Amino acid sequence: AQTIHQWPVAEIKAVGSPLSLGCTIKGKSSPNLYWYWQATGGTLQQLFYSITVGQVESVVQLNLSASRPKDDQFILSTEKLLLSHSGFYLCAWSLQGAGDTEVFFGKGTRLTVV
Amino acid sequence: AQSVTQPDARVTVSEGASLQLRCKYSYSATPYLFWYVQYPRQGLQLLLKYYSGDPVVQGVNSFEAEFSKSNSSFHLQKASVHWSDSAVYFCALSPYYNVLYFGSGTKLTVEP
Repeated sequence: AQTIHQWPVAEIKAVGSPLSLGCTIKGKSSPNLYWYWQATGGTLQQLFYSITVGQVESVVQLNLSASRPKDDQFILSTEKLLLSHSGFYLCAWSLQGAGDTEVFFGKGTRLTVV
Repeated sequence: AQSVTQPDARVTVSEGASLQLRCKYSYSATPYLFWYVQYPRQGLQLLLKYYSGDPVVQGVNSFEAEFSKSNSSFHLQKASVHWSDSAVYFCALSPYYNVLYFGSGTKLTVEP
């Protein structure tokens, strides 16, 4: 069975500090991968998607970057956190495009920037 | 530009009552539309989807949704709710490949 694991579960970071959030998908080869973000009380926004290793497309610009170093791994990062980065980050995967098939979500990472 | 609006942040209903969760979308063409549910301490799960054809689509756990092009709506319904339906429900649209736009979610509480 396929599993999606996000780390860390929660993080408290200082403004201006770097950030790295990770996601690993096991049990599926060559999935499409996604990062979503939800500000407290806000809408769930898609940040990035990746169809293959080494290729990442940006959907919304939030001074964040993403990378896919391995087929089953998706990393979200920034060198300098802003207060506005606080929120809930979800990693997800699908076998085909997000509009064509079900997207499967991880349990998320709660980020608090202070 | 595309957007999804869920006007009700919170809805409370009694167990056994009927339910409607509202979703309005903005898009120039007919999009692909979805409802996802997030149970406590779980990731989001797909309830149902609409691509074309019959405007009423059936989903899991006896949920259904009705697409209305004239109203730009995709409301979620259930005839009789159970306490286990308590969760956050998200409406979403996909205007193009690999991108989903979500609403802000509706938190449903089912009272005994």
